[in-house]
Amino acid sequence: DIQMTQSPSSLSASVGDRVTITCRASQSIRSYVNWYYQKPGKAPELLIYATSTLQSGVPSRFIGSGSGTDFSLTITSLQPEDFATYYCQQSSTIPRTFGQGTNVEVK
Amino acid sequence: QVQLQESGPGLVKPSGTLSLTCGVSGVSISSSNWWNWVRQPPGKGLEWIGEIYHTGSTNHNSSLTGRVSMSVDKSQNQFSLTLSSVTAADTAVYYCTSSGYSYAYDHWGQGILVTVSS
Repeated sequence: DIQMTQSPSSLSASVGDRVTITCRASQSIRSYVNWYYQKPGKAPELLIYATSTLQSGVPSRFIGSGSGTDFSLTITSLQPEDFATYYCQQSSTIPRTFGQGTNVEVK
Repeated sequence: QVQLQESGPGLVKPSGTLSLTCGVSGVSISSSNWWNWVRQPPGKGLEWIGEIYHTGSTNHNSSLTGRVSMSVDKSQNQFSLTLSSVTAADTAVYYCTSSGYSYAYDHWGQGILVTVSS
């Protein structure tokens, strides 16, 4: 199975900050990385698919990048609604594993 | 728009069978999507359970081999999950999802909490 190692597991930030979350795959997954965010008590929502394509309606402050085994999600200017938990997922192979999550909290 | 809705018992006894259904609206279950199950134990991360195509083709997490099965009901536009021999470790919020381009999960149900307890 491909392991997705996400870091950091949590971070504290302020509104307006630039935030980057990284995800490393245990083997090459080409561009099959997706990013989700989840608010407490809610279902996850798709932010970015295929490494860098924004899902419809997602603001352009979210940027996905990477290739092969190393990927990142950057929020260029953190907004109040962005405080949440973020997950990466590889969809290259079965099982379609998730990272362990990054909790972005208020500093 | 596409909507998914999980349904089923919220409480299952240990060694029993968990059965959930996901009703799909806004798109035919026979469309070119895979239909998926993901679970999340309380306070923990997301775990992929498996996926099914409308033809009946399935893939599942090997950690659940022998206990998990999935099916599609085209007449009801829904798909289902069955997990047998459950233990407390199977207590989780269970989500159904659809996957589109790049197998990303573009639509999610609201989730259903299933507790395994006597």
